[in-house]
Amino acid sequence: SQQGEEDPQALSIQEGENATMNCSYKTSINNLQWYRQNSGRGLVHLILIRSNEREKHSGRLRVTLDTSKKSSSLLITASRAADTASYFCATAVSGSARQLTFGSGTQLTVLP
Amino acid sequence: NAGVTQTPKFQVLKTGQSMTLQCAQDMNHNSMYWYRQDPGMGLRLIYYSASEGTTDKGEVPNGYNVSRLNKREFSLRLESAAPSQTSVYFCASSPAGQFGHQPQHFGDGTRLSIL
Repeated sequence: SQQGEEDPQALSIQEGENATMNCSYKTSINNLQWYRQNSGRGLVHLILIRSNEREKHSGRLRVTLDTSKKSSSLLITASRAADTASYFCATAVSGSARQLTFGSGTQLTVLP
Repeated sequence: NAGVTQTPKFQVLKTGQSMTLQCAQDMNHNSMYWYRQDPGMGLRLIYYSASEGTTDKGEVPNGYNVSRLNKREFSLRLESAAPSQTSVYFCASSPAGQFGHQPQHFGDGTRLSIL
C-alpha cells in the first residue's frame, strides 16, 4: 500500500524557475522525508521534517508540512538542469515506525 | 566513500532459476533494507534487518529470502524466479535509532529481468 502520493506525476519547467511538488498521506506520521533519484541511480536523501515541525530549509530546498491536511510540499528554488530527477516523499508512520513508505514520485524535468 | 554497494548491477534469469543479490555497506549502520521498484511506482519494502542477527518481513516478502551475514552485508535470495519478480532492486541502510526516523542510504540498484 502506498502511504504517500505525489502530485503532479510529472513537471517540466525552465531553468531558473521554481518547482513545487506535493505529497499527501493517509495516516499519522512521525516524520516525512524527501528523496531524489537520478535516472539509473539509487535514491538520495534530501531532507527530513518531523511531525512537530512546519517548515524546513536546506540550501535551495524548502519543505513544509501540514499535519492537519496530511500533506507536504517540496519547493526547489532557482532550478537548474542538474535538478532533473524523480522526487519521492516517504513517511514514517506513527506507532509503526519499522519502515518508510514511499510514494510513486514526481518526475521533474528542468529545461536549459 | 563507497556507501552501499550492490552486486550485480544487471542480471537476466530464466523462470525457475535462483540467484542471490548481494549488498554491503561501509557506514557501520545497524539497519539494512531491501526494496523493489517497479515502473511508475514507489519503492516497496521486501525485507529489513534492524540489526545483525534479525530480519523481518516488509510489504512484499513472498518469493524472497534474506540473510544478514554480518553487520556489513545483507543478501536477498530468489529461490525460484518468476516473471513478476522482474524489477529494480535497491538495498539501503540507516544508522541506529527508531526505524523510519533516520535517513536511508541507497545503493544504485540491481536491474533484474526474468524471462
